[in-house]
Amino acid sequence: VLTQSPATLSVSPGDRATLSCRASQSVTTNLAWYQHKPGQAPRLLIHGASTRATGVPARFSGSGSGTEFTLTITSLQSEDFAVYYCQQYTNWPPKNTFGQGTKLEIK
Amino acid sequence: EVQLVESGGAVIQPGGSLRLSCVASGFRFDDYAMHWVRQVPGKGLEWLSLISWDGANSYYADSVQGRFIISRDNRKNSLYLEMDSLGPDDTAFYFCAKGHTSGYLEYFDYWGMGTLVTVSS
Repeated sequence: VLTQSPATLSVSPGDRATLSCRASQSVTTNLAWYQHKPGQAPRLLIHGASTRATGVPARFSGSGSGTEFTLTITSLQSEDFAVYYCQQYTNWPPKNTFGQGTKLEIK
Repeated sequence: EVQLVESGGAVIQPGGSLRLSCVASGFRFDDYAMHWVRQVPGKGLEWLSLISWDGANSYYADSVQGRFIISRDNRKNSLYLEMDSLGPDDTAFYFCAKGHTSGYLEYFDYWGMGTLVTVSS
């Protein structure tokens, strides 16, 4: 089970956002982060805990291993306000593969 | 450019059935496992089902096991989800997603925009 915190994060444009994802058991580095905006397809941001997907700006970075993971977004832009999900792809079956999400909102 | 386009969402009465489709383009469809994921409005993402690259193997979340059937037609680059015995809890946006490899435990590198299923009388 993945637990994301906080549920909602209020940050001002230009500031840094730090989102957390904790796994109930080790997922090594088999963790991905997604960005989801209403009415759009979810977008892969990070895989392998820290590898940015193609085309993802450098202001997005992921870190962690085992059970503790962090997504950091520096210099927040208006287009970054969305819901962010973590996903583990170590444990079978893949039910409960996603965290419950963190809503990043404008302060 | 990879594209996944879902269709088939509708308003359906409780107990009804529906078939969702997802047409893929921009990649070799039969090289990859494919998945269905849903999102209840205002809630998080829920993985539902996966199908192997060749359609020989499929797996389901407990919440849909026995009611939903995933299938694919590699000649048509298409993924399907047959849904039966629908209930209000099945009201959600349904997304198809491409696995990064042919494996079953993978992250999803591309997603469709989703199709809305509303179960209501």
